[in-house]
Amino acid sequence: KAGVTQTPRYLIKTRGQQVTLSCSPISGHRSVSWYQQTPGQGLQFLFEYFSETQRNKGNFPGRFSGRQFSNSRSEMNVSTLELGDSALYLCASSLGPGLAGGLAYEQYFGPGTRLTVT
Amino acid sequence: ELKVEQNPLFLSMQEGKNYTIYCNYSTTSDRLYWYRQDPGKSLESLFVLLSNGAVKQEGRLMASLDTKARLSTLHITAAVHDLSATYFCAALPPTDKLIFGTGTRLQVFP
Repeated sequence: KAGVTQTPRYLIKTRGQQVTLSCSPISGHRSVSWYQQTPGQGLQFLFEYFSETQRNKGNFPGRFSGRQFSNSRSEMNVSTLELGDSALYLCASSLGPGLAGGLAYEQYFGPGTRLTVT
Repeated sequence: ELKVEQNPLFLSMQEGKNYTIYCNYSTTSDRLYWYRQDPGKSLESLFVLLSNGAVKQEGRLMASLDTKARLSTLHITAAVHDLSATYFCAALPPTDKLIFGTGTRLQVFP
């Protein structure tokens, strides 16, 4: 079974621009979560989408947004890029909504998109 | 707010030796996850610990969970070079937002 895919894998943008990252979950998985990984802040939860609805959100400014489509694919958008947005953005998919419920307690991570803001 | 602390942050160990990575978390967590990350790569799930006293083993790695002490350990037995990577633990508070530790960078040398 194919794993989680993310596109593009690498991206270089300039401050002030916006960027859209894409994530395709494992077939049959309906939940997609996004994480940001930086050397300074480590791994931080951005948001989770399930059935096209944002189910949970981390502590990030409104410049970070996302959406999920009916086929469970998800996109993440960052507007007005700042240097501090340079990071590895990981998406993860799981069967059901969230991890605390009994339906799904494991998530599978994609290879990530490395975003560099100059 | 749940905080997760790992120690040590960096571990350099000789092949064949045993060592333990510790993961402490500050408040209630429904479960505990361990991940491995190779340089420039994504996260690979190692273990999911669902309840107090849970112990899981895979090869040279064994993870355990003590919810009363809010402590999870990842024990490495007879380390080999292939285990060199960064290991993260992550706890799951009632908010259902996974909180990661800072990671332990493990380097195994001959």
